[in-house]
Amino acid sequence: AQRVTQPEKLLSVFKGAPVELKCNYSYSGSPELFWYVQYSRQRLQLLLRHISRESIKGFTADLNKGETSFHLKKPFAQEEDSAMYYCALSLNSGGYQKVTFGTGTKLQVIP
Amino acid sequence: ETGVTQTPRHLVMGMTNKKSLKCEQHLGHNAMYWYKQSAKKPLELMFVYSLEERVENNSVPSRFSPECPNSSHLFLHLHTLQPEDSALYLCASSHATGRSSYNSPLHFGNGTRLTVT
Repeated sequence: AQRVTQPEKLLSVFKGAPVELKCNYSYSGSPELFWYVQYSRQRLQLLLRHISRESIKGFTADLNKGETSFHLKKPFAQEEDSAMYYCALSLNSGGYQKVTFGTGTKLQVIP
Repeated sequence: ETGVTQTPRHLVMGMTNKKSLKCEQHLGHNAMYWYKQSAKKPLELMFVYSLEERVENNSVPSRFSPECPNSSHLFLHLHTLQPEDSALYLCASSHATGRSSYNSPLHFGNGTRLTVT
């Protein structure tokens, strides 16, 4: 069975400092990995996905199959980045998405 | 209104009550999901409907009964719940993409905060 691990419940960084939110997964095949974000009083929403290979709001994430990791990074944290971040592994189960989420990491950016 | 809308936002019910949660999406998606979010636990997938057919039921107790009358609406009927069922219930939708390798991301509602007394 697939599993997603986010080892940090809370990550506090100062504004302008680099950020790395860790995510490791276990799955024997080729999964698709996502990062979802939930800002205060907002709904859970997609931040980025590994197949897009794009930077969203300054965040990037690279899929490392050797280390089975998909860490989320940003070189300079901003206060508006404070939120809950969820790593997710998605499998296409014949038409719908079977998504396994990690427990989430709360990012707190200190002014 | 666009997006995924869930009602009510908050619900308090006794263990003998019967209530229903409603979810509506205006994104043209044809797969809909119920997730349960409890404190300190990852989101738990409860049910999935793809093209209005239930395709996943993750060992959810029968006191939770889903209904998907069409591709835009999803309900979760609740009866004789237990206090441990108190949680945030999230609805999500996505495109049902067949067997392609493309995984459509999930679009979530704001959730219903359920408290069972």
